[in-house]
Amino acid sequence: DAGITQSPRHKVTETGTPVTLRCHQTENHRYMYWYRQDPGHGLRLIHYSYGVKDTDKGEVSDGYSVSRSKTEDFLLTLESATSSQTSVYFCAITGQGAFNVLTFGAGSRLTVL
Amino acid sequence: GIQVEQSPPDLILQEGANSTLRCNFSDSVNNLQWFHQNPWGQLINLFYIPSGTKQNGRLSATTVATERYSLLYISSSQTTDSGVYFCAVGGGNTPLVFGKGTRLSVIA
Repeated sequence: DAGITQSPRHKVTETGTPVTLRCHQTENHRYMYWYRQDPGHGLRLIHYSYGVKDTDKGEVSDGYSVSRSKTEDFLLTLESATSSQTSVYFCAITGQGAFNVLTFGAGSRLTVL
Repeated sequence: GIQVEQSPPDLILQEGANSTLRCNFSDSVNNLQWFHQNPWGQLINLFYIPSGTKQNGRLSATTVATERYSLLYISSSQTTDSGVYFCAVGGGNTPLVFGKGTRLSVIA
């Protein structure tokens, strides 16, 4: 997966609990993204980062926060998970500028009961 | 924001057949990429093609940016081509926006 590791790969949790998903890259790429994939919706952008401590919201950012304290790590946090956040979460990276090829991690499947 | 529409939503092919997948977008873009998601969920980049034509083996893609569409051609399809094909577009430095995909099933 081109040096992108997502963890955990699978998680089951209960409504109201906090959850953190981690994306780690070894490519030293500037841009990192979190997308969620749901049936009938394709991939939708949650948050993205264009550098250390530089983040911005995407289309479906409500209920999510992110942090990027190091180039290689991009964390996605659900402060209080809800059943509507049951989804598959994909991390992706690109190189300098947003014009390079988007490369995805393997995905993290989250189930909120 | 920019809208991306892919057609057809579903496609069933006999092995060996050819197919054309279409991606229409609502605004000017300078970034367009095609992806394949295999049945195990892995997303693989096929083409970075904001304009022009590219070929990679049995797959080729053409983007006509002035008319706001892109086509993905699959020739001599194989069962391993099954999965979902996504088109994603972006303008300026904005993140890519994805279409809802075309689900392809190739039957032996």
